[in-house]
Amino acid sequence: DTGVSQDPRHKITKRGQNVTFRCDPISEHNRLYWYRQTLGQGPEFLTYFQNEAQLEKSRLLSDRFSAERPKGSFSTLEIQRTEQGDSAMYLCASSFGPGLGDREKLFFGSGTQLSVL
Amino acid sequence: AQSVAQPEDQVNVAEGNPLTVKCTYSVSGNPYLFWYVQYPNRGLQFLLKYITGDNLVKGSYGFEAEFNKSQTSFHLKKPSALVSDSALYFCAVRASPLRSSNTGKLIFGQGTTLQVKP
Repeated sequence: DTGVSQDPRHKITKRGQNVTFRCDPISEHNRLYWYRQTLGQGPEFLTYFQNEAQLEKSRLLSDRFSAERPKGSFSTLEIQRTEQGDSAMYLCASSFGPGLGDREKLFFGSGTQLSVL
Repeated sequence: AQSVAQPEDQVNVAEGNPLTVKCTYSVSGNPYLFWYVQYPNRGLQFLLKYITGDNLVKGSYGFEAEFNKSQTSFHLKKPSALVSDSALYFCAVRASPLRSSNTGKLIFGQGTTLQVKP
């Protein structure tokens, strides 16, 4: 178990550019989540996958945002035409899925810090 | 709609004293409740959860939390604080999967900074 890994750790981009982040969850986990966190706030839910199916998307996820999990393993989050308001920490988490015991526990990556200039 | 409130931005406590970090929630049906901790430059780490059973749940690093259904609260506690407990703490809630089978998301509070002074 190597934990949830995210790449890159930091990304600086200019307004209008596209960016893509990658998340590698814990291998046995079925569920993968994306959250966004800004300074002084708690993580805000963006979307989640059960295996390769994207089951829920937040209204925060505008049409400039797209997430994929093509083979039910790693996931990518792409932001097109970035805006300064997109600057935040993007967190990925994974879990076994619903159920009792430790199935509900989320394991978080260290995040990707995006700065849009 | 689900929501979580952490009324205190910061809690200050002296080392060795008991600590409480407050959390109240709103959710339809039976709640699943969680506490996570975030240390600087590190990802969120799970501390403890309440799903069913005993209202007092014990977690990592000597923390515990008490579920109070009538007050819709889930306060985090520790009998004796350590300087190393200083971090950002998040309360989170989700609806029971029996209520909404496809909703897996956690809703987080805005966080409470715990500062333990020697």
